[in-house]
Amino acid sequence: NAGVMQNPRHLVRRRGQEARLRCSPMKGHSHVYWYRQLPEEGLKFMVYLQKENIIDESGMPKERFSAEFPKEGPSILRIQQVVRGDSAAYFCASSPRSHFEKLFFGSGTQLSVL
Amino acid sequence: GESVGLHLPTLSVQEGDNSIINCAYSNSASDYFIWYKQESGKGPQFIIDIRSNMDKRQGQRVTVLLNKTVKHLSLQIAATQPGDSAVYFCAENTQGGKLIFGQGTELSVKP
Repeated sequence: NAGVMQNPRHLVRRRGQEARLRCSPMKGHSHVYWYRQLPEEGLKFMVYLQKENIIDESGMPKERFSAEFPKEGPSILRIQQVVRGDSAAYFCASSPRSHFEKLFFGSGTQLSVL
Repeated sequence: GESVGLHLPTLSVQEGDNSIINCAYSNSASDYFIWYKQESGKGPQFIIDIRSNMDKRQGQRVTVLLNKTVKHLSLQIAATQPGDSAVYFCAENTQGGKLIFGQGTELSVKP
């Protein structure tokens, strides 16, 4: 029974490139959450998605960031034209239904922008 | 700003002692709280949770206390072990499952 799977674990990009982060939720989970964690800080909510729907994107920067969770396949967090300030750990969490408080987290993707 | 925060950023304890990690929250409407443990290079791992209709909940070696009067949450770890060394986050649940995390407390266990 695999947990939340994220890949890649580490991603290095140069300024101006695109970063794509993938998240496969736990089996049977149809709700996905993305969080960002800067060094020495807590996790900051970015976006909450259901299959084919964005439910809450109040934590997403207005530009360059987008997220999707298609009917088939993993959820994707996409960062266009990355800047050094995007360097962080990005965590995905999943839950089996809406309004489910306990989230199960993946191991994260560490994004480094050179 | 964040509605959930921690009093101390670091805590050092002797192996075998009890640890107490504190957390303050500001949203009196919050009705569900969670403690997560995060080891270096890993994602947050669920430890224990508590609803606002309770003031204490016990797990294996861990106890969470909730004081709604002063909006304070604490995590107690009994007989702390080296494997308990990690950063501990409290998180507050808002409607829709959007967790708000505190800054975290780094627990260091001395042998």
